[in-house]
Amino acid sequence: NAGVTQTPKFQVLKTGQSMTLQCAQDMNHEYMSWYRQDPGMGLRLIHYSVGAGITDQGEVPNGYNVSRSTTEDFPLRLLSAAPSQTSVYFCASIPPGGTSEAFFGQGTRLTVV
Amino acid sequence: KNQVEQSPQSLIILEGKNCTLQCNYTVSPFSNLRWYKQDTGRGPVSLTIMTFSENTKSNGRYTATLDADTKQSSLHITASQLSDSASYICVVSEGGSYIPTFGRGTSLIVHP
Repeated sequence: NAGVTQTPKFQVLKTGQSMTLQCAQDMNHEYMSWYRQDPGMGLRLIHYSVGAGITDQGEVPNGYNVSRSTTEDFPLRLLSAAPSQTSVYFCASIPPGGTSEAFFGQGTRLTVV
Repeated sequence: KNQVEQSPQSLIILEGKNCTLQCNYTVSPFSNLRWYKQDTGRGPVSLTIMTFSENTKSNGRYTATLDADTKQSSLHITASQLSDSASYICVVSEGGSYIPTFGRGTSLIVHP
């Protein structure tokens, strides 16, 4: 059972480039989310999805797009990378139920130069 | 706005010593509170969960407490080990919502 898988683990982009961070889970969880983690800032919610075809914005959505065509996959797209998007990105999924634990991927460390 | 505040921001202790991390929250309505451990370069992993009716819960050398009246929680680590060096994140969930509120974490360093 792989859990939540993120790819790539590391990425360097030039300003203005676009890319997609991949996230896949094999636990059949309806809820998935993307966070960014910056030093001293903790985890901040970018976008989330409560099921296939349903997405919504979190606290810091600007510059990012998401889609959810299947239960398993929740990719995060950077439209035009900026140095301010240099961060560590985590994907998480949560099973149904009020006390459910969030399962996180290993993270993607992104540097925009 | 829901908020979770953690203290201290960072902590350095010697191996074998005990320590206590604090978490204050204003999330309402309260559903549950989790403490996560995040090792360097890894995603957070849940240590404990506390619901409204629970005061204390242990997981090995980790003991979490919850005071729902004062909206405070603590995580006590007994007989610290080098492997306890990590960031500890307090996460509070609101009733009826999938979206938890994260604290900024306490960075713990255990020296030999």
